[in-house]
This record gives sequence, C-alpha cells and structure tokens, in this order.
Amino acid sequence: GENVEQHPSTLSVQEGDSAVIKCTYSDSASNYFPWYKQELGKRPQLIIDIRSNVGEKKDQRIAVTLNKTAKHFSLHITETQPEDSAVYFCAAGDNYGQNFVFGPGTRLSVLP
Amino acid sequence: EPEVTQTPSHQVTQMGQEVILRCVPISNHLYFYWYRQILGQKVEFLVSFYNNEISEKSEIFDDQFSVERPDGSNFTLKIRSTKLEDSAMYFCASSDPNDSQYFGPGTRLTVT
Repeated sequence: GENVEQHPSTLSVQEGDSAVIKCTYSDSASNYFPWYKQELGKRPQLIIDIRSNVGEKKDQRIAVTLNKTAKHFSLHITETQPEDSAVYFCAAGDNYGQNFVFGPGTRLSVLP
Repeated sequence: EPEVTQTPSHQVTQMGQEVILRCVPISNHLYFYWYRQILGQKVEFLVSFYNNEISEKSEIFDDQFSVERPDGSNFTLKIRSTKLEDSAMYFCASSDPNDSQYFGPGTRLTVT
C-alpha cells in the first residue's frame, strides 16, 4: 500500500521568510496530492491540491510542485505570516473514492 | 459556502458501550469518508463509502466498526464495543468525483 513520508517534522521561520515542506510517496498509481492545514483543535482544511498531470500549481502565497518520476511533492509558502502557524499534512491517493494516506505532519511556527 | 457537519462535538462513553457518530456531508457530494486522528498524531483513513456501499477500508476498520447512510442526508459511523484505544478525534469528509475532500469539524470520542 501507499506510504507517505514528510519532512521536516517541525519548522520555524521568521515572518516574511519562505517555508518549504517536502513529501515522498511510494505508490506510483497515486494521482492526487492534497495539502491540509490543521490549526490546534480544528479540522484539517484543504489549502491546495495537485493532480498528476500537472507539475506545479500556485495560489497566491502557496504553491505546490510535483515530481512524479521521483515520487515527491512539496509545499511552498512565501511571505509567511503568524497565522500560517499550524500543522500541515500532505496526502497521496486516488481521488476516486479510494484510500488517502496522510503524511505524519509538519508543525510550522512563524515567528514575529 | 456549504460545509460538512458532525454531531456530537464531544462524546464520552464507557468501555464496551456502543457509540454512533453522525455526519451530514455536503449535499451534492457522492463520496463519504471517515478518518481518525489520535491526539497529536496524523490523520488515518478508516473507510470510504459510495453508492450505498463501502468502496475501501483500512486495517483499522475491523468488525467493531460499521457505516451507514440511513437517509438522504446523514452518514454514520458506529463502534459496537468501544475500547480505550478508540479514543480519538473522528472526522467525516465528503467529495465529488474529481474534486477534493472537505472535512467536518470532528467528534472527539473519549472512552473511559
């Protein structure tokens, strides 16, 4: 089955700097890669996703890149703000009602 | 904007008791999911449901668990005889084909 690894487990950046979180997956059949942000005690919220026919996607300060050959994908947050502080989870799977596997999460702290 | 809702927000039960967690998915979605998140750990997939049947389940989803769509709006997760290790946050999610999964706010289950 699918196995998703995520690095780093914790990340501290200064406000205004960029943050990069990296994930690798094992199942080459996976074709959908969402990123979720989870604030303490809250639900995971989808922030961006990418499908395997696209190499990069951007939404304002957030971007995701996908390298299918190497089976890794990354989340990039530019101009970080304190409200970006949260745990970020990557996931991999088939979006057609199949099993999603989440990474272990990265706790991002943006220091003012 | 439509959201997934869940009730109750917090459920306390004694070991061995049955619990039913309830979810109302987004109304035009066809795929439904349950996930579990033990405190401080990653989100784990339990089961996906489509067309009134389970389409995928994980090894966590054993005979103690069942899901049901009793009417046109609710989606339930039943745990027949709860164990201490079932204590976790349970998230429901829903999606359309070719769309992202949206999570409910979660039910915190505490088994004493």
